[in-house]
Amino acid sequence: AQSVTQLGSHVSVSEGALVLLRCNYSSSVPPYLFWYVQYPNQGLQLLLKYTTGATLVKGINGFEAEFKKSETSFHLTKPSAHMSDAAEYFCAVSDDSGNTPLVFGKGTRLSVIA
Amino acid sequence: GAVVSQHPSWVICKSGTSVKIECRSLDFQATTMFWYRQFPKQSLMLMATSNEGSKATYEQGVEKDKFLINHASLTLSTLTVTSAHPEDSSFYICSAVTGNNSPLHFGNGTRLTVT
Repeated sequence: AQSVTQLGSHVSVSEGALVLLRCNYSSSVPPYLFWYVQYPNQGLQLLLKYTTGATLVKGINGFEAEFKKSETSFHLTKPSAHMSDAAEYFCAVSDDSGNTPLVFGKGTRLSVIA
Repeated sequence: GAVVSQHPSWVICKSGTSVKIECRSLDFQATTMFWYRQFPKQSLMLMATSNEGSKATYEQGVEKDKFLINHASLTLSTLTVTSAHPEDSSFYICSAVTGNNSPLHFGNGTRLTVT
């Protein structure tokens, strides 16, 4: 079975500051890992994903995440927060079998302070 | 915590038949539900946004006559795949929110296989 833990249900940063959203996963098989963003009143949008290959993954809007197998982590970062980054962020895990649905974390709400 | 129940979790149907998938919020009222589709080894694709008491809003490229969404109450939304074909085989996942700025809660998904 797979699971995802997102540390911190709410993170608040100042505009221009580093954004770090934490995600740890549990998986008995090689994972596929995803970060999604949800803006108010909208559905999920894919930020980035890791399947195989390079462990540092770059996504849209300046976000990136690094897959660290030894730490079972896939933390999301952005060097400089913008006001428009305020949203809910979800980490999710799947596997490469194609037989299981995504398993989501509970989400982290990012607030950006001017 | 808030729970979203999706049923069935797994269904096989013959080509040409219709399948209904239910998404229920068990302990909260869901003003908005989202329906997603996940192809094997790929990420989610938002299909439609469903608001209680009004017509669903479909994403571009999603056939509204094929994927019928009904959100008749604050605790239940249904997705009906009509005249299913093998290419409709996929995971379908729903999520629900109670209102503006509320957390998003996910169902466990429904795996549809069309033979």
